[in-house]
Amino acid sequence: NAGVTQTPKFRVLKTGQSMTLLCAQDMNHEYMYWYRQDPGMGLRLIHYSVGEGTTAKGEVPDGYNVSRLKKQNFLLGLESAAPSQTSVYFCASSFWQGRNYGYTFGSGTRLTVV
Amino acid sequence: KNQVEQSPQSLIILEGKNCTLQCNYTVSPFSNLRWYKQDTGRGPVSLTIMTFSENTKSNGRYTATLDADTKQSSLHITASQLSDSASYICVVRGGNAGNMLTFGGGTRLMVKP
Repeated sequence: NAGVTQTPKFRVLKTGQSMTLLCAQDMNHEYMYWYRQDPGMGLRLIHYSVGEGTTAKGEVPDGYNVSRLKKQNFLLGLESAAPSQTSVYFCASSFWQGRNYGYTFGSGTRLTVV
Repeated sequence: KNQVEQSPQSLIILEGKNCTLQCNYTVSPFSNLRWYKQDTGRGPVSLTIMTFSENTKSNGRYTATLDADTKQSSLHITASQLSDSASYICVVRGGNAGNMLTFGGGTRLMVKP
């Protein structure tokens, strides 16, 4: 039972390059999320999905796109990377049972844009 | 605006000592509050969850408190161990959007031998 797996773990991009971060979960969770974590700041929600084929914007969606073609995968794309997107990116998934929820986080992707 | 503020930002204690981390929030309406532990290079892992009616909840050497009236929570760590060195993040669920989470900036704890 792998939980939430993110690939790659590290990446360095040049400004203007594009890339896709992959998140995979094997817990049959309906909900999936992409967060970014910057020093001294809390995790901020980029985009999320409430089920296969659905996506929605979070707090800081600009410069990112996402897709959820399969329930177990949630992809985060950067079309034209900027230095401001240097961050650690976390994927998470959750089930939803009323007020009791359980988030499982991936181990993160450290992205540097130079 | 929904906010979660944590203090201190960082803390160094000696192994075996106790410590208390603070979390103040403005999220309204409030649904629940979780404390997460995040080891370096890893994703956050849940320690406790507290709902409106709960004042205290323990998980081993971790004890969380919640005062929903003053919108404050604390995480008390007893008899600290080197493995407690990590960031501790307070996360509040609620707000007008319903189910979204607001994350605090975390407290970075270092336990020294």
